[in-house]
Amino acid sequence: GAVVSQHPSWVICKSGTSVKIECRSLDFQATTMFWYRQFPKQSLMLMATSNEGSKATYEQGVEKDKFLINHASLTLSTLTVTSAHPEDSSFYICSASGLSSETQYFGPGTRLLVL
Amino acid sequence: EDQVTQSPEALRLQEGESSSLNCSYTVSGLRGLFWYRQDPGKGPEFLFTLYSAGEEKEKERLKATLTKKESFLHITAPKPEDSATYLCASHFGNEKLTFGTGTRLTIIP
Repeated sequence: GAVVSQHPSWVICKSGTSVKIECRSLDFQATTMFWYRQFPKQSLMLMATSNEGSKATYEQGVEKDKFLINHASLTLSTLTVTSAHPEDSSFYICSASGLSSETQYFGPGTRLLVL
Repeated sequence: EDQVTQSPEALRLQEGESSSLNCSYTVSGLRGLFWYRQDPGKGPEFLFTLYSAGEEKEKERLKATLTKKESFLHITAPKPEDSATYLCASHFGNEKLTFGTGTRLTIIP
């Protein structure tokens, strides 16, 4: 149980375009979803927290207009990187937790390369 | 500020050589201590949650323990497939996890 999927697993795009990443909880209802960013050989950096039906809460230094997060249902959250630039290239990972547990279950990650 | 510190940064062991990884945290209302395993290019895989000092949990060759200031992940007779980065994270009741920088474990056949 507690499976989280992400799509796509990797994406290459041109500078200036927007990219959408989907995160789904497959076998539980995710009341809260989280989006992280990870650079090579570094730990996870939390970008934002979202609750179903509410606006996302962004961490300090994360541009909310650049990283649009939507948590439209209890099983789906999306992260859209708008007007992507090469410095946005990174490994993006989502996680989800349910109502009765603080444990976060992570997706497999999406590697984004902006050319 | 809530902080989590892991040591060592990297650890190389011979297959079968038991050892422990350390995770220390600032004491300010810990609601849970989590251990994850992360393989290169993948998302973290949940291993354990510990809630109170004295608690222990086991899974195959791994055992996690918790005191009032730190947690240990003991690995007994490791195999090459146990090679990964092990992350600990603390939960202080604000939904968010505070992650340590991880211990990169390499098991040599």
